[in-house]
Amino acid sequence: EIVLTQSPATLSLSPGERATLSCRASQSVSSYLAWYQQKPGQAPRLLIYDASNRATGIPARFSGSGSGTDFTLTISSLEPEDFAVYYCQQRSNWPSPFGGGTKVEIK
Amino acid sequence: QITLKESGPTLVKPTQTLTLTCTFSGFSLSTSGVGVGWIRQPPGKALEWLALIYWDDDKRYSPSLKSRLTITKDTSKNQVVLTMTNMDPVDTATYYCAHTGGGYISYWGQGTLVTVSS
Repeated sequence: EIVLTQSPATLSLSPGERATLSCRASQSVSSYLAWYQQKPGQAPRLLIYDASNRATGIPARFSGSGSGTDFTLTISSLEPEDFAVYYCQQRSNWPSPFGGGTKVEIK
Repeated sequence: QITLKESGPTLVKPTQTLTLTCTFSGFSLSTSGVGVGWIRQPPGKALEWLALIYWDDDKRYSPSLKSRLTITKDTSKNQVVLTMTNMDPVDTATYYCAHTGGGYISYWGQGTLVTVSS
């Protein structure tokens, strides 16, 4: 079973700063990785799929990169609404686990 | 417009069986490639896949919970039902129903909090 490890667990940044989140897979998932954003009391929202494709309606400040075992989600300039928890998920094979999450909090 | 909504008890006792129903609209679970699944999230913790059922009745279960889970679909009613046996307080979580078209989840239900307590 593939394990996804996200780092850091918490990222403390100010609005306008750049956020870089990491997701590492225990074995190759090719490019079959997604990123989700979750705000308190809400269901997650798909941001990025297949490592680098933005989902419908997602602002261009969100970008994804990587392949194989190492992936990155970058938020180029944090907006107030971007402070949330971010999860990665792979679909290379079942089960399709999520990572443990990275909380992006206001510094 | 795709929507999903979970329904079921908010409180169950330890050892009881939980039955959750996902009622959806805006798509058909008889369409090739479509799946509906269940994901849970304990308070303050990460997301966990539980089970997934595809348009062709292919079923997938979390390996660690497989013995306790059953997922079924009723295409005519646009519903997917999840049963989980032998509930324990550690199963307290928000349970989400979700639509997947290729392994990723574009559409989520609002979630339902299930508390396991005597």
